[in-house]
Amino acid sequence: DVKVTQSSRYLVKRTGEKVFLECVQDMDHENMFWYRQDPGLGLRLIYFSYDVKMKEKGDIPEGYSVSREKKERFSLILESASTNQTSMYLCASSPPGLAGGNEQFFGPGTRLTVL
Amino acid sequence: ILNVEQSPQSLHVQEGDSTNFTCSFPSSNFYALHWYRWETAKSPEALFVMTLNGDEKKKGRISATLNTKEGYSYLYIKGSQPEDSATYLCAPMDTGRRALTFGSGTRLQVQP
Repeated sequence: DVKVTQSSRYLVKRTGEKVFLECVQDMDHENMFWYRQDPGLGLRLIYFSYDVKMKEKGDIPEGYSVSREKKERFSLILESASTNQTSMYLCASSPPGLAGGNEQFFGPGTRLTVL
Repeated sequence: ILNVEQSPQSLHVQEGDSTNFTCSFPSSNFYALHWYRWETAKSPEALFVMTLNGDEKKKGRISATLNTKEGYSYLYIKGSQPEDSATYLCAPMDTGRRALTFGSGTRLQVQP
């Protein structure tokens, strides 16, 4: 079974702090994604990566950056956390090939609160 | 950003009822459509990945159809059970980029 893990289930940070959210998958997937989920808005794509050291902006990349140094790990970075980044963050991965044709496997999510 | 609409936003049904939801998306440059089920306190799980116009997929009591020419997909649940209670998300992808765009979901609650 594919397993996608995220470093924390719950996280509380202060405004202005640098925040790292880590995601690791164990199935050698090429594609990895970061989403945030807010009530009434569904899952919104922040960044995705289809190979090591490759990244592409999603729909809401402002205020975020990502790092993919190893195939199994995809990190989301909040350079200077703000209260409007309080949200549920989900990581996902999918097998090689064009991502549209392959189902995504999701991690358990990190609920981040920025005070 | 693709405009994806799901209806209804929420639905309450009785155990044993059959129900269906709609996902609307732009028909141009279509590549694939995914359906996911997201239960409370769990991770979203894929139900179906559909790519061809006229596709019909089935998993147990749940089935889905796809019309790429008019830009919609239906998800059907036959004989709803309390364990079907979840948010159902659709996510189309066009040929312009390698990522899905998720709708805001239909939240289903099945009363025993």
